[in-house]
Amino acid sequence: GAGVSQSPSNKVTEKGKDVELRCDPISGHTALYWYRQSLGQGLEFLIYFQGNSAPDKSGLPSDRFSAERTGGSVSTLTIQRTQQEDSAVYLCASSLGLVDTQYFGPGTRLTVL
Amino acid sequence: AQSVTQPDIHITVSEGASLELRCNYSYGATPYLFWYVQSPGQGLQLLLKYFSGDTLVQGIKGFEAEFKRSQSSFNLRKPSVHWSDAAEYFCAVGAREYGNKLVFGAGTILRVKS
Repeated sequence: GAGVSQSPSNKVTEKGKDVELRCDPISGHTALYWYRQSLGQGLEFLIYFQGNSAPDKSGLPSDRFSAERTGGSVSTLTIQRTQQEDSAVYLCASSLGLVDTQYFGPGTRLTVL
Repeated sequence: AQSVTQPDIHITVSEGASLELRCNYSYGATPYLFWYVQSPGQGLQLLLKYFSGDTLVQGIKGFEAEFKRSQSSFNLRKPSVHWSDAAEYFCAVGAREYGNKLVFGAGTILRVKS
């Protein structure tokens, strides 16, 4: 079946602009996660959604970052007023349940000029 | 705080040689563990996982890993490396108590000599 998909695959933006990154999880997966992969920090957890529960936002680095998940499926990660340090690959993952294997999408490479 | 250590940043092995990638963790809860592989420009592909039960787990592409609770380790092994195994390998740890948020090691880049 289809895996996790993310769009766009690449995004180049100017400092100060807002960006939206999209994730389509595997159908039927109730849990969705966002991670960030950067050269200096490695792979870091950002946020996760589980069913109808309030999301765990404990990994978001600043209030410029937000995410939503509509209809229990598609998720959008929004970064406002982008900074150069936001340049990274943003990975989305989904799992069938909360304690289950996470399957990753191909990522969105964000470059902030 | 939870942490995962992959002590080797780079490893080079000859094709056909055996491989062991090390992973140690520090966790305040009963962990479950994963190894993922990432090729350049690609996402993370699951190699294998351990949740409970038999501490020696088999994965795809001929990889296996052994969970040793006493040593807080989950080392990845392969008896004979192929050139196509060249990639970056990540060990990851999660726990129900922490909401399944994965903590990743820094990764080990594997180079294969022909």
